[in-house]
Amino acid sequence: DVKVTQSSRYLVKRTGEKVFLECVQDMDHENMFWYRQDPGLGLRLIYFSYDVKMKEKGDIPEGYSVSREKKERFSLILESTSTNQTSMYLCASRDPAVSTEAFFGQGTRLTVV
Amino acid sequence: QKEVEQNSGPLSVPEGAIASLNCTYSDRVSQSFFWYRQYSGKSPELIMSIYSNGDKEDGRFTAQLNKASQYVSLLIRDSQPSDSATYLCVIQGAQKLVFGQGTRLTINP
Repeated sequence: DVKVTQSSRYLVKRTGEKVFLECVQDMDHENMFWYRQDPGLGLRLIYFSYDVKMKEKGDIPEGYSVSREKKERFSLILESTSTNQTSMYLCASRDPAVSTEAFFGQGTRLTVV
Repeated sequence: QKEVEQNSGPLSVPEGAIASLNCTYSDRVSQSFFWYRQYSGKSPELIMSIYSNGDKEDGRFTAQLNKASQYVSLLIRDSQPSDSATYLCVIQGAQKLVFGQGTRLTINP
């Protein structure tokens, strides 16, 4: 089974703090994604990565950056958190050569106070 | 216009009835279409994929695709309380998956 693991289930941070959200997948997938999910807005793509060291902006990249130094790990960085970044963050991975199905991590609920 | 539009619901269906979930999309070149199910507090999981016009059946689930009308639907027959969840319509874009906002479905015993 594909496993996508996010480093934290719940995080509470103060405004202005720096936050790293880590995501690791164990299936050698090329594509990895970061989404945030908010009530009434669905899943919105923040950033995605085709392969190691490659990244593309999604629909809402402002306030976020990413890092993909190794194929299995895709990190989302919030340089200076704000209350409007309070959300559920979901990481996903996919192997486009085999399947278009995306496999999701368990999600990180981030609260910025 | 949003790329993928769903009625957010909530949609309430009696147990044993057919639940019908609908989705429209704007990108005519989309070739792959998916339905994900998300239970409260959990991550989305794939339940159906469809790539060509017509119907695709898998157990109690049937996905329907009409590319000319840019419309995709999901039917759930013999609805069970365990089907209560949010259903996400997902379209394969050029390089990424585009999600609808989801329809919350409640099956009433």
